[in-house]
Amino acid sequence: DQQVKQNSPSLSVQEGRISILNCDYTNSMFDYFLWYKKYPAEGPTFLISISSIKDKNEDGRFTVFLNKSAKHLSLHIVPSQPGDSAVYFCAASGSSGDKLTFGTGTRLAVRP
Amino acid sequence: GAVVSQHPSRVICKSGTSVKIECRSLDFQATTMFWYRQFPKQSLMLMATSNEGSKATYEQGVEKDKFLINHASLTLSTLTVTSAHPEDSSFYICSGRVEDTQYFGPGTRLTVL
Repeated sequence: DQQVKQNSPSLSVQEGRISILNCDYTNSMFDYFLWYKKYPAEGPTFLISISSIKDKNEDGRFTVFLNKSAKHLSLHIVPSQPGDSAVYFCAASGSSGDKLTFGTGTRLAVRP
Repeated sequence: GAVVSQHPSRVICKSGTSVKIECRSLDFQATTMFWYRQFPKQSLMLMATSNEGSKATYEQGVEKDKFLINHASLTLSTLTVTSAHPEDSSFYICSGRVEDTQYFGPGTRLTVL
């Protein structure tokens, strides 16, 4: 039972344009969400997080949007850069700091 | 962000041997660490939660006698894969928690021949 889903396994975007990565979850007990970036054979790198009491959090080029009623969150990267090319995982927990349930990942390729 | 290290980064062993993987929090104290496993082209799956000074909590389907976890100090957790078999070959990643966020180590690639 995949409680956190990323339905797009891959995404290709032109440099300078916006990248939008999507994530859906089924467990209504999740109330804290994170996005991680991962390169092959490396550990995930934390990017940004959001609590369920908010619907938007922004940090530089990265913005996460949360729609609780739809159980959907998205990560916007603008402008996209070639160095952003990696696999992006969304993750969710029942409370901040609790164990994480990861999505299946989306491979982002930013074309120069 | 907080820094987590893992050692070794890569290990190859023969079937039936045991392998120990270390996870260290370098600039923070971690009362709780997490161990994950990632198979090729799959997501990260939580194996267990490691608590300093107490027994680890294992996820359903993870054999606690096969994957021994010791969290003897606030900066070190170890995962020992006992009597390793080829199906244990995977990428093992640990994380430490700082307030609301988990920070991950670089991972350990285990290959069992």
